[in-house]
Amino acid sequence: ETGVTQSPTHLIKTRGQQVTLRCSSQSGHNTVSWYQQALGQGPQFIFQYYREEENGRGNFPPRFSGLQFPNYSSELNVNALELDDSALYLCASSYLGTGDYNEQFFGPGTRLTVL
Amino acid sequence: AQSVTQPDIHITVSEGASLELRCNYSYGATPYLFWYVQSPGQGLQLLLKYFSGDTLVQGIKGFEAEFKRSQSSFNLRKPSVHWSDAAEYFCAVDPRDSGGGADGLTFGKGTHLIIQP
Repeated sequence: ETGVTQSPTHLIKTRGQQVTLRCSSQSGHNTVSWYQQALGQGPQFIFQYYREEENGRGNFPPRFSGLQFPNYSSELNVNALELDDSALYLCASSYLGTGDYNEQFFGPGTRLTVL
Repeated sequence: AQSVTQPDIHITVSEGASLELRCNYSYGATPYLFWYVQSPGQGLQLLLKYFSGDTLVQGIKGFEAEFKRSQSSFNLRKPSVHWSDAAEYFCAVDPRDSGGGADGLTFGKGTHLIIQP
C-alpha cells in the first residue's frame, strides 16, 4: 500500500510569484485535505477536496486554491505569494463514505520559502 | 471560539522517566480527539485517537492518553521514554458535527519533547 506522497520536497519562490504543490493520496482514499504549518506552529486547515470539489475551507484567502483529479491526487495553488506564506504545506488523504470516521493520513510535506 | 491548548511549549525528560503531555480543548461538545507526532523533516504520524467509549486509549510506541470530560482534557502519557521519542507532539480535534471532517482538524501549537541521556 502506497502512502501519501508530496512534491516537491522543497521550493523557493519570490514574493508575488505563483506556486503549485502536488499530492498523491493513499491507495483507496478519495479525499484530500491541505494544511499550512508555519514555523513553530501547529498545522492549520486550508481546505478539503472530495469528488473533485472543495468540501470545506478554513480561514484562508481566495488566492489559495486547489484541484482534485479523477485519480484523487490533488494540487494546491497559491497566487501572489507573500512572505508569510513561507511554511510547511501538508497534504492528508482519507476515505469519506458512510459509517466510520475518516481518519486522515499525512504526507511528509513541502517546505515553501518565499523571499 | 473553538480551540486546542497545549500549555507546554518545551518539555525535557530523562531517558527512562515517565512523560505526560497536556492538552485542553474548548468545544461545545466532545470532539474527536487525536495525538500526532512529528519528527524533524517528517509529516505527522497518528499516535492514538479517541472517539467514544473507554476514556483510556492505547496507541502506538507505548503511548496512551486519557480523556477527561470534566476537565476538557486529553493528556498523553508514556511510562518510560526512549531517546527516539524526541520529537514535536500535537494534540488535534475534529468537531463531531462536521461528520466527514470537512472542517478539518484543529491542532494545538505543539509540545517539543527533549530527551536527556
